[in-house]
Amino acid sequence: SQQGEEDPQALSIQEGENATMNCSYKTSINNLQWYRQNSGRGLVHLILIRSNEREKHSGRLRVTLDTSKKSSSLLITASRAADTASYFCATEVANDYKLSFGAGTTVTVRA
Amino acid sequence: SQTIHQWPATLVQPVGSPLSLECTVEGTSNPNLYWYRQAAGRGLQLLFYSVGIGQISSEVPQNLSASRPQDRQFILSSKKLLLSDSGFYLCAWSVGQNGYTFGSGTRLTVV
Repeated sequence: SQQGEEDPQALSIQEGENATMNCSYKTSINNLQWYRQNSGRGLVHLILIRSNEREKHSGRLRVTLDTSKKSSSLLITASRAADTASYFCATEVANDYKLSFGAGTTVTVRA
Repeated sequence: SQTIHQWPATLVQPVGSPLSLECTVEGTSNPNLYWYRQAAGRGLQLLFYSVGIGQISSEVPQNLSASRPQDRQFILSSKKLLLSDSGFYLCAWSVGQNGYTFGSGTRLTVV
């Protein structure tokens, strides 16, 4: 079953702008992960945030996690055309090996 | 370095024909292995996962099966394909809580 739900489903921004997408989930988690998928390709792991963490940075990426609201956000700053892709959040439940993925947010960065 | 190989990249098969997709991992030992399927424009559905040789857990009852004959080899099979088996199949591995590494995917079209 699908645990995470991303919002919005699609996002179109101008190069240089910031892109923000959100993820909500239903049950308690061990960690939450964000992945990027370019069209027709496999997924690439971007960042993992554990349940006891509130914010994490990696380059131009900033992820927040609010376990009380069961939600996370991914911010891409100073977007580039190469950031055009689908972004998925995925949750790992405690004592479980499996990741549950949302349906993704499709981001288009216009040059 | 750790790599994952998945083949073939594309496959067109007639209804009722058998299927065998192979995934191999290099550079790591005793990984958790996963098969996901992605419908067009959708999120990922976990099909099978394995925590060790010969150990297969099925998430969704269906026309497919999986096997792990060696530590770093994961095979997805079907005896008779259905039209509904069409999709993008992704293999992935993980060790601990470090995120998944995905293969490049196989696009299967059943005609």
